Amino acid sequence: QQQVKQSPQSLIVQKGGISIINCAYENTAFDYFPWYQQFPGKGPALLIAIRPDVSEKKEGRFTISFNKSAKQFSLHIMDSQPGDSATYFCAATLEGFQKLVFGTGTRLLVSP
Amino acid sequence: GAVVSQHPSWVICKSGTSVKIECRSLDFQATTMFWYRQFPKQSLMLMATSNEGSKATYEQGVEKDKFLINHASLTLSTLTVTSAHPEDSSFYICSAHRQGRETQYFGPGTRLLVL
Repeated sequence: QQQVKQSPQSLIVQKGGISIINCAYENTAFDYFPWYQQFPGKGPALLIAIRPDVSEKKEGRFTISFNKSAKQFSLHIMDSQPGDSATYFCAATLEGFQKLVFGTGTRLLVSP
Repeated sequence: GAVVSQHPSWVICKSGTSVKIECRSLDFQATTMFWYRQFPKQSLMLMATSNEGSKATYEQGVEKDKFLINHASLTLSTLTVTSAHPEDSSFYICSAHRQGRETQYFGPGTRLLVL
């Protein structure tokens, strides 16, 4: 019940296109839903996070869409750039980031 | 602000030896620190949670006698892999939580290779 399912496993998008990554959860006790970006050999870095009482949050080219009834959330990267090529992890937290449960990750490649 | 460092960034050791990895919050006091392990092309798996001055809480399946965690201060946590074996080779990442902030701040990771 503490799993977060993520798809797709990998994604190739052309430069300027929209990258979409989807996640689903079961535990209604999760209180934040962050997305992390990780480059090879580095630790993950927070991109954007959303509370479950908000349906959408946008920061620059990154948007989270949240569907509470379906227990699903997604990351949209608009105008994708080669520099966005990285692994993206969705996550869900308990007790305000005291426990992070990560999705399985999506390797994004943005072709020039 | 909110920088977390790890030392060393990579380490190679012989099977049977112990390895210590340090995690420091450089510009803030961390109420809680976390240790994760990440195998190649896999997700991060939480190993343990530690609070300053108290015993770490280990996740199910993580051997506490093998992975010793010491949280000596509000800015320093250490992970010691005792009697390391090749299967312990992995990428170890720490993170720190700052009270009132909606995130964990992650370190750059330590790559451990046990020969």
